[in-house]
Amino acid sequence: DAKTTQPTSMDCAEGRAANLPCNHSTISGNEYVYWYRQIHSQGPQYIIHGLKNNETNEMASLIITEDRKSSTLILPHATLRDTAVYYCIVRVARSGNQFYFGTGTSLTVIP
Amino acid sequence: DAGVIQSPRHEVTEMGQEVTLRCKPISGHDYLFWYRQTMMRGLELLIYFNNNVPIDDSGMPEDRFSAKMPNASFSTLKIQPSEPRDSAVYFCASSLNRNNEQFFGPGTRLTVL
Repeated sequence: DAKTTQPTSMDCAEGRAANLPCNHSTISGNEYVYWYRQIHSQGPQYIIHGLKNNETNEMASLIITEDRKSSTLILPHATLRDTAVYYCIVRVARSGNQFYFGTGTSLTVIP
Repeated sequence: DAGVIQSPRHEVTEMGQEVTLRCKPISGHDYLFWYRQTMMRGLELLIYFNNNVPIDDSGMPEDRFSAKMPNASFSTLKIQPSEPRDSAVYFCASSLNRNNEQFFGPGTRLTVL
């Protein structure tokens, strides 16, 4: 199973881009990278996912390196409401549809 | 759609009592998941269903835990008898198919005294 490594915590100034890194050096060719976040006392919320190409949606951008061993989630203009724990997950395809949530990165957006 | 609905939102019970948590997935979603979150262990997958059939229950801690999905719009997670170490937030999630993102409910905060 591919595992992910994320920094425990990060700070970001309000209005600036927040860049959250994730290492997944053992990822397999058919495994996707998913990002979720969890705001305090709420359920996890889907942000974005990708396989090889960079992806962008209304919430964030996902940059995946060419060798797919790492990725970066970018929140282009962080707001105070983006303060949350961000989880980088590699979907283990052979185990069905399970998502293994690690400890994530606790992002604090500072006014 | 109202999203994934869970009830109750909070449950306080005494050790030894039976606890039943309920979940209504998003209409049309074929997959339903039960997770448990604690400070010590983080977010753990307990069991998931596909088309109302349990597919993998390897995350269920022990025989005191059981989950059912009698139809596409309802699932229960039961703990009998409950113990203080079962205190946690229990989340239910659903997804359209195996490759789609999961949508989580607001969770049930369980406290076993």
